[in-house]
Amino acid sequence: GQSLEQPSEVTAVEGAIVQINCTYQTSGFYGLSWYQQHDGGAPTFLSYNGLDGLEETGRFSSFLSRSDSYGYLLLQELQMKDSASYFCAVRDRAAGNKLTFGGGTRVLVKP
Amino acid sequence: NAGVTQTPKFRVLKTGQSMTLLCAQDMNHEYMYWYRQDPGMGLRLIHYSVGEGTTAKGEVPDGYNVSRLKKQNFLLGLESAAPSQTSVYFCASTPGWEGIGRGGRKSYNEQFFGPGTRLTVL
Repeated sequence: GQSLEQPSEVTAVEGAIVQINCTYQTSGFYGLSWYQQHDGGAPTFLSYNGLDGLEETGRFSSFLSRSDSYGYLLLQELQMKDSASYFCAVRDRAAGNKLTFGGGTRVLVKP
Repeated sequence: NAGVTQTPKFRVLKTGQSMTLLCAQDMNHEYMYWYRQDPGMGLRLIHYSVGEGTTAKGEVPDGYNVSRLKKQNFLLGLESAAPSQTSVYFCASTPGWEGIGRGGRKSYNEQFFGPGTRLTVL
């Protein structure tokens, strides 16, 4: 099976940088994804890491270390609209591109 | 394109009643998924399908059935609803594979989610 751990909540001010860590235990790891979900909304895809290293997409970056079973999502130049929940999700090797989600990190951005 | 749509958006059931949730996608995606999300928690996979006519169990399949008779639709059924099935249900889809140069292909990483169905079982 799969299990993921991420902090439950992070608070920061506008313009700051936030790092959300995700550690995982898995029986068949293929890659790590990150999704954003605003209150009452649907999850939306942010990034995917299949290989070790950093992936950058605008103000957001994601990192993976397969040897450490660890990844993080970096949110830079925080804006009020970044207040949301962020989920890491492990994609396993089995057929179907299935995802197992972590419990989510609620990010609160204050002015 | 409408993307992924879900019907209904809200529903209240009594214990023991049955219902079907409909998910439709107009992106010609091969893979489709049903998740449930309980308050303050992550999504858990109920069932999934890798193509028309196929279904498979996810992490929490008990109490649910699914069907994928048409590629664009994925139905989730509750035969006898229980209060423990009170949750928000999300459907998602993905192409499964994308073409790359010289006729190759690689797996597609992004899942596209519908807006969700909020179900309460009394």
